[in-house]
Amino acid sequence: GQQLNQSPQSMFIQEGEDVSMNCTSSSIFNTWLWYKQDPGEGPVLLIALYKAGELTSNGRLTAQFGITRKDSFLNISASIPSDVGIYFCAGHYPSGGSNYKLTFGKGTLLTVNP
Amino acid sequence: GAVVSQHPSRVICKSGTSVKIECRSLDFQATTMFWYRQFPKKSLMLMATSNEGSKATYEQGVEKDKFLINHASLTLSTLTVTSAHPEDSSFYICSAPGLAGGNTQYFGPGTRLTVL
Repeated sequence: GQQLNQSPQSMFIQEGEDVSMNCTSSSIFNTWLWYKQDPGEGPVLLIALYKAGELTSNGRLTAQFGITRKDSFLNISASIPSDVGIYFCAGHYPSGGSNYKLTFGKGTLLTVNP
Repeated sequence: GAVVSQHPSRVICKSGTSVKIECRSLDFQATTMFWYRQFPKKSLMLMATSNEGSKATYEQGVEKDKFLINHASLTLSTLTVTSAHPEDSSFYICSAPGLAGGNTQYFGPGTRLTVL
C-alpha cells in the first residue's frame, strides 16, 4: 500500500516556540488529516483538509494541503506543555480502495519543556 | 458530534481465553468501522474494515479466524480476540467515518489488552 513519510520523528522544544512537522507521499492524496494522540488514548482529530492548497487553522494549529496533493504540513504556534503527544498525519488516496480507508504516517513525538 | 466509544478500556485475560471489545458510534450511524492495532511508540496498523450487514474485510496478514469482527447494527461493531496469547497484547482502537464526510475518521479511546 501507499506510505506516508512523516518528519521529524521527534522534537524537543521550549514552551513558547513554534513547531512544524510535515508528511509527504509519492502518490496523490485527496484528503489529509492531522491527529494528536495522548498516551493511552485514541487519536483525536485536529484538522481535516480536503482541497489542494487549502490552509486551515484550529486555534494555534495551522495545516495546509500541498498544492501537488502529495504533502501536508502542520504548524503549532506558541507551544504549551499540553501540546505534548504524538502527532499523526493520515491521508486517503483516490485508488485506496474502500471509502474512508486511511494511510498513516509514523508519527511525530513532541516534547515541550516548560 | 462524531463520538466513538469503546468498551472495555482495559482488559487482562489468561492465555487461551477469548476477549470481546465493543466499538460504538454514539451520536451517528456508521455502516463502516475500522479496527486498528497499535504497538508501543508505533503508528496505527489497520487490521480490518467492519461492514454493517456483511463480512469484514481483513488486511493482509491478519487472521480472520483469530480476530472475529461482527457489525450487527449501525452503531456497534465488536472485535473478538479468540484464544488469546501474550503476543496479542496490544492497544486496539476502532474508528468510524464522521458526518463531515471527506474520508474523515473519528477514533475511540482504545482498549488495552494484556494477555497473561
